[in-house]
Amino acid sequence: GENVEQHPSTLSVQEGDSAVIKCTYSDSASNYFPWYKQELGKRPQLIIDIRSNVGEKKDQRIAVTLNKTAKHFSLHITETQPEDSAVYFCAAPSGGSNYKLTFGKGTLLTVNP
Amino acid sequence: NAGVTQTPKFQVLKTGQSMTLQCAQDMNHEYMSWYRQDPGMGLRLIHYSVGAGITDQGEVPNGYNVSRSTTEDFPLRLLSAAPSQTSVYFCASSYGTSGGNEQFFGPGTRLTVL
Repeated sequence: GENVEQHPSTLSVQEGDSAVIKCTYSDSASNYFPWYKQELGKRPQLIIDIRSNVGEKKDQRIAVTLNKTAKHFSLHITETQPEDSAVYFCAAPSGGSNYKLTFGKGTLLTVNP
Repeated sequence: NAGVTQTPKFQVLKTGQSMTLQCAQDMNHEYMSWYRQDPGMGLRLIHYSVGAGITDQGEVPNGYNVSRSTTEDFPLRLLSAAPSQTSVYFCASSYGTSGGNEQFFGPGTRLTVL
């Protein structure tokens, strides 16, 4: 099955700095890569996703890049704000489907005012 | 729309007891799944369903049963609770089973097994 590795496990930045979280995956057939944000005590929510036919996707201060050759993808948050503090999870499809996801172990991002 | 709902929000069980975690969605989603979340372990897939009458095992299925008699409901049964099943359980659903689609999560059930 799919193996998703996520780094770092914790990340602390100053408000206004950028944050980067990286994930690697093992199944070269995977073609859909979502990122979820989970605030303390809340449910995970999708913040951005990318499909394998593009190398980068942006949504305001958030961007995701994908390198299919190296089998890794990254989440970039610019101009971080305290409300960006949360746990972020990457995911990749497993078992040849795009609906069954394998999640990384998460990154706790803390943005210090 | 209520989205994905889960009951109960909290539950304490004794070892050996059984119970059912309820999950329902009102978005007519084909795909539903159950995850457990433990500290430092991310979200691990327990069971999933691609439609009414169809279920399959995920990464950590032992000790859990599921059924899907309707599109809306996907209950998770703990047969004989063990302390290792202490966790937060999330139900999720998504539209369709082809192509990547957003998974919508329920609010979670925090289960403690003594």
